[in-house]
Amino acid sequence: KAGVTQTPRYLIKTRGQQVTLSCSPISGHRSVSWYQQTPGQGLQFLFEYFSETQRNKGNFPGRFSGRQFSNSRSEMNVSTLELGDSALYLCASSTTGAPNYGYTFGSGTRLTVV
Amino acid sequence: AQSVTQPDIHITVSEGASLELRCNYSYGATPYLFWYVQSPGQGLQLLLKYFSGDTLVQGIKGFEAEFKRSQSSFNLRKPSVHWSDAAEYFCAVGAGSGGGADGLTFGKGTHLIIQP
Repeated sequence: KAGVTQTPRYLIKTRGQQVTLSCSPISGHRSVSWYQQTPGQGLQFLFEYFSETQRNKGNFPGRFSGRQFSNSRSEMNVSTLELGDSALYLCASSTTGAPNYGYTFGSGTRLTVV
Repeated sequence: AQSVTQPDIHITVSEGASLELRCNYSYGATPYLFWYVQSPGQGLQLLLKYFSGDTLVQGIKGFEAEFKRSQSSFNLRKPSVHWSDAAEYFCAVGAGSGGGADGLTFGKGTHLIIQP
């Protein structure tokens, strides 16, 4: 059974650009959640999608957005990149969308903004 | 809002020695508690979780954790560590019934170093 796949693994972007990250969940999982991990702030919840609908959102500016497709794959987009957006972005999938019932995390996308 | 505190940023343990990683949480109701492990450059792997029932929970890789409501703690333990246990360990809390509006709230992590 394939795990959660995140692409690309590494990305370097310039301040002011935009970036799109992709996450393919485990087959049969309908929920995808995104987290940002930085040395200073740790792991922070970005948003969660279930059946193509954003159900929950963390405390991030509107530059951070996402979407989910009918096959449950999800993308997150960050516009007008800032140096502080440099982070490891982790995607997690689950069947019900409730992390209480088990997340499986991907290996993440390491974004560096220069 | 819930919060998680992991008081120890770094812990060094000799191989074969016992381990205890501390976690304190703040949440108004019965929490859903988790321990995750992260190896360098990797995502998070679930070690164990507590929802209700027996306060001592067993996880993978020989880890266990004990929920103590009176102390708002959920400490992770292992009787004998192996060099492969060197990693970052995260405690997390989820709100009731569905994860809540904020997903999981994580502690800042404890970096475990194993010395030979």
